[in-house]
Amino acid sequence: RKEVEQDPGPFNVPEGATVAFNCTYSNSASQSFFWYRQDCRKEPKLLMSVYSSGNEDGRFTAQLNRASQYISLLIRDSKLSDSATYLCVVSWNNDMRFGAGTRLTVKP
Amino acid sequence: DVKVTQSSRYLVKRTGEKVFLECVQDMDHENMFWYRQDPGLGLRLIYFSYDVKMKEKGDIPEGYSVSREKKERFSLILESASTNQTSMYLCASTTTGGPYEQYFGPGTRLTVT
Repeated sequence: RKEVEQDPGPFNVPEGATVAFNCTYSNSASQSFFWYRQDCRKEPKLLMSVYSSGNEDGRFTAQLNRASQYISLLIRDSKLSDSATYLCVVSWNNDMRFGAGTRLTVKP
Repeated sequence: DVKVTQSSRYLVKRTGEKVFLECVQDMDHENMFWYRQDPGLGLRLIYFSYDVKMKEKGDIPEGYSVSREKKERFSLILESASTNQTSMYLCASTTTGGPYEQYFGPGTRLTVT
């Protein structure tokens, strides 16, 4: 079993749609969680950290479920510019593990 | 603004050649990392370094070595390139005490023929 698993997609959604991605992790001792965004042929960049109580940044909401060992990312009112690959990152003891990513395409 | 640069965006090498990939960061970060990224496999850690002249193996160090002679510079060396080392190589840096955001370079797409 992979340490961090994501549905690779692709998710194809119309502009304005709400879309959600899940990510599961295997190490119950995981301490920190992040979502990174990677545009085509570019490097990954931090989108947001994920806090235990859940957190929101504009149209983006991240949630953590420790009992079921998954994190989620919800994007509301999708924009064309949201098209990218979203990487789930899980950390324990400063060791960061990246998921393979979920590809999102937002269409007009 | 943090900047991580890599010596080449695209590189084509022949099997058996020695390959040097260089990474430089300008934020005085202690920790630097080398990953490779392959479709369906995500980012896999090759080596990391938490200080000058220090290095630690990651998950897939075989066939690679690294060098960190200066704090800002972290080099990845392929001693004898093979076709299965064709990949996207990403360097990253972060400050210590984390885990904090990792800042990535633009990547080097290496093709070994």
